[in-house]
Amino acid sequence: GENVEQHPSTLSVQEGDSAVIKCTYSDSASNYFPWYKQELGKRPQLIIDIRSNVGEKKDQRIAVTLNKTAKHFSLHITETQPEDSAVYFCAARGGSALIFGKGTTLSVSS
Amino acid sequence: SAVISQKPSRDICQRGTSLTIQCQVDSQVTMMFWYRQQPGQSLTLIATANQGSEATYESGFVIDKFPISRPNLTFSTLTVSNMSPEDSSIYLCSVVGAGQETQYFGPGTRLLVL
Repeated sequence: GENVEQHPSTLSVQEGDSAVIKCTYSDSASNYFPWYKQELGKRPQLIIDIRSNVGEKKDQRIAVTLNKTAKHFSLHITETQPEDSAVYFCAARGGSALIFGKGTTLSVSS
Repeated sequence: SAVISQKPSRDICQRGTSLTIQCQVDSQVTMMFWYRQQPGQSLTLIATANQGSEATYESGFVIDKFPISRPNLTFSTLTVSNMSPEDSSIYLCSVVGAGQETQYFGPGTRLLVL
């Protein structure tokens, strides 16, 4: 089955800096790669996603890139703000359900 | 997006007992899943709830411990049986709507087993 590795596990940046989180997946049949943000005590919320036929997708300060050959994808957050502080999960879908990485705790200090 | 509700939102249970968690969606969805999120950890897929048939369980999860029902396209239950403190976790229902790719999560049920 699918296995998703995520790095780093923690990331601390200064407000205004960029943050990058990287994930790799194992199943070459996976074709959908979402990113979720989870704030303390809340449910995971989708922030951006990408399909395997697209190399990059951007939504304001957030972008995701996908390298299908290398089986890795990354989340890029520019101009970070304190409200970006949360746990971020990458995921991959090859079958019907999403399989998640272990998460990255992002801390943005002002 | 689908509106997902779960009951109960939290519970404290004694070891050896069972708890049934309900997941209700406000629209018909094609896929329903149950995940577990242990404190400070990621989301682990327990099973896919199949309408009108037995759930499909992931490695490490068995029907006797986590029986699941899905009688229709908007409702599912997960039972945590013969609980032990190791079952203390957040249990989340997750759905995918018809013709969609986005997977949405319910608010979760926070379970503490003493």
